[in-house]
Amino acid sequence: DAMVIQNPRYQVTQFGKPVTLSCSQTLNHNVMYWYQQKSSQAPKLLFHYYDKDFNNEADTPDNFQSRRPNTSFCFLDIRSPGLGDAAMYLCATTQSYSNQPQHFGDGTRLSIL
Amino acid sequence: AQSVSQHNHHVILSEAASLELGCNYSYGGTVNLFWYVQYPGQHLQLLLKYFSGDPLVKGIKGFEAEFIKSKFSFNLRKPSVQWSDTAEYFCAVSSSGSARQLTFGSGTQLTVLP
Repeated sequence: DAMVIQNPRYQVTQFGKPVTLSCSQTLNHNVMYWYQQKSSQAPKLLFHYYDKDFNNEADTPDNFQSRRPNTSFCFLDIRSPGLGDAAMYLCATTQSYSNQPQHFGDGTRLSIL
Repeated sequence: AQSVSQHNHHVILSEAASLELGCNYSYGGTVNLFWYVQYPGQHLQLLLKYFSGDPLVKGIKGFEAEFIKSKFSFNLRKPSVQWSDTAEYFCAVSSSGSARQLTFGSGTQLTVLP
C-alpha cells in the first residue's frame, strides 16, 4: 500500500552523465517535494511543485531540474552529476499548503562513479 | 530563516531505559513542529506533530513530545524503549499555516541494545 513510490531505490551513474529520478504518488496530493539528504545531514529541500507551479529554493544548483507531467508523477533531473551530488534523494507529498504532514517515499540513493 | 538543532548525534540505550531526544529550533514566528522516524531501510514516517493547543503531544508507539515555547524546544520522550525503536529520529519545523518550508534537524541515531 505504498503511497509515495520512488524508482529506482539505488541509482549509479557516471560523473557528468545525466540522470533522472522518479517519484509517483497515489494520494492525489497537489504538492510534491524533492529533498537531498547527504550522509549524517538533514534532508534539504531542493524545490517543490504546487500543482504545476514550480518553486525553486534559492540555493538549489542550476544542475538540478524537475518536471511534473501530471498530478501523480514528478521527476528530478540532474544534468551533469558531480561527485558532490552523491546522496539520498527523497520525494514527499502533501495536500495543499495545509498543516498536514508530508508523506515520504523510500528515497533513491544516488552514487556517482 | 528557520533552523533546527538536534544535539545528540547517536544515542545508545538498553531496552527498558527511558529516552529523551533534544530538539531546539530557531524561528521568530508561530511554528508547527514534527518528529519523524526512519527505521532501517524504510521511509520517513510521522511520529507526532504539534500545531497548537496542549503542548504535550502524544504520538504513535508510546512516544510523546513537549513543546516549551520559552525554550524553543520540542523534545521527544519515551518512558521505556524497545529494541524495535532502533531508528533515526528527525525533528522538523515549518512556519505555521504553510507547509512550503519544512526544515529538518540533522537527525539522531538511536540504537537500543537487547
